[in-house]
Amino acid sequence: DIQMTQSPSSLSASVGDRVTITCRASQTISMSLNWYRQQPGKAPNLLIYAASTLQSGVPSRFSGSGSGTDFTLTISSLQPEDFATFYCQQTYNKPLTFGGGTKVEIK
Amino acid sequence: EVQLVDSGGGLVKPGEALRLSCAASGFSFSAYTMNWVRQAPGKGLEWVSSITVGSRYIYYADSVKGRFTISRDNAESSLYLQMSGLRAEDTAVYYCARARTALAGEWYFDVWGRGTLVTVSS
Repeated sequence: DIQMTQSPSSLSASVGDRVTITCRASQTISMSLNWYRQQPGKAPNLLIYAASTLQSGVPSRFSGSGSGTDFTLTISSLQPEDFATFYCQQTYNKPLTFGGGTKVEIK
Repeated sequence: EVQLVDSGGGLVKPGEALRLSCAASGFSFSAYTMNWVRQAPGKGLEWVSSITVGSRYIYYADSVKGRFTISRDNAESSLYLQMSGLRAEDTAVYYCARARTALAGEWYFDVWGRGTLVTVSS
């Protein structure tokens, strides 16, 4: 199975901050990497797919990069609705696997 | 509006069975791979199962293989998860999700249900 390791597991930031979350795969996954945001009590919401493609309707403050084993989600200016948990997901191989999550909290 | 509505969760005892449903609307259900993802209380996301168009290919996580069965009824635009031999560690919110494929074939889950809670406890 492909293990997905996210870092950090949590962070504190202020509205307007630039935030970067990383995700590392235990083996190459090409660009089969997605990012989701999960607000408390809600279902996950797709932000980025195929490593760097912004999902329709998602604000442009979100961007993704990387390929192979190392990937990054960047939020250029953190907004109140971004205080949530972010997950990466690999869809290169079954079983599909998620990272452990990064919880973004208000500083 | 594109929508998935999960249902069927509840409180069951270890060893019992439960069937989850996911009703799709607003899109051509038969044209999409469908999935179940779960989240134990306070924990992260765990992929459970996927079923491709026409039920051609079916995949399971090792943790549920042999106990859970995914199926779909394209005429009813519905996805199902038959769960048997339930264990305490199956306690979770279960989400159905629609999969799409990017240009190079990468899967991604673009529409999610709100989830249904399954609690396994004696």
